[in-house]
Amino acid sequence: EIVMTQSPATLSVSPGERATLSCRASQNINSNLAWYQQKPGQAPRLLIYGASTRATDIPARFSGSGSGTEFTLAISSLQSEDFAVYFCQQYNNWPPLTFGGGTKVEIK
Amino acid sequence: QLQLQESGPGLVKPSETLSLTCTVSGGSISDGLYYWVWIRQPPGKGLEWIGAIYYSGSTYYNPSLKSRVTISVDTSKNQFSLKLSSVTAADTAVYYCASFKIGNYGSYYFDYWGQGTLVTVSS
Repeated sequence: EIVMTQSPATLSVSPGERATLSCRASQNINSNLAWYQQKPGQAPRLLIYGASTRATDIPARFSGSGSGTEFTLAISSLQSEDFAVYFCQQYNNWPPLTFGGGTKVEIK
Repeated sequence: QLQLQESGPGLVKPSETLSLTCTVSGGSISDGLYYWVWIRQPPGKGLEWIGAIYYSGSTYYNPSLKSRVTISVDTSKNQFSLKLSSVTAADTAVYYCASFKIGNYGSYYFDYWGQGTLVTVSS
């Protein structure tokens, strides 16, 4: 099973600032990584797949990068609606599909 | 666009079987473009993939749950279902059904999700 590790667990950022979230895979997953955003009481929403391809209707301030075992989700200028929990997920080797533990982006 | 809706009991007794159904609308479960999956999230915790089914009936399970999980599909009703046996309090979670898109160039992603349903295991 591929273990996904996200850091930090919590990121405190001021609105308008840049946020950088990390995700590490326990083995090479090429670019087979997706990112999701989850707000309280809601289902996750797809942001990025293929490590760097934005999903439909996702604003350009969200960008993904990385390959192999190290990945980054960057939010260039945080808006109020971006404060949420973010999960990475690998689909290179499955079953099982595996998620990271999540990074909570909170208002500083 | 697809819409998915979970249904089933919100309370299950320990040692019994949890049963949920996901109804898909806005598209055909048989179109071959998706795997149909179940994911759960214990309160305040992360996401755990339970398993997936293709319209043909091929199934894929999380090894950690495989001995207790059965996922089935009913193409005539555009539904797929989850059964989780011998439940304990540790199975208390929000259960989501979702579509796992078979994208281009080897990409896969969960693009549509149900709203989720909280299932509590308690006597």
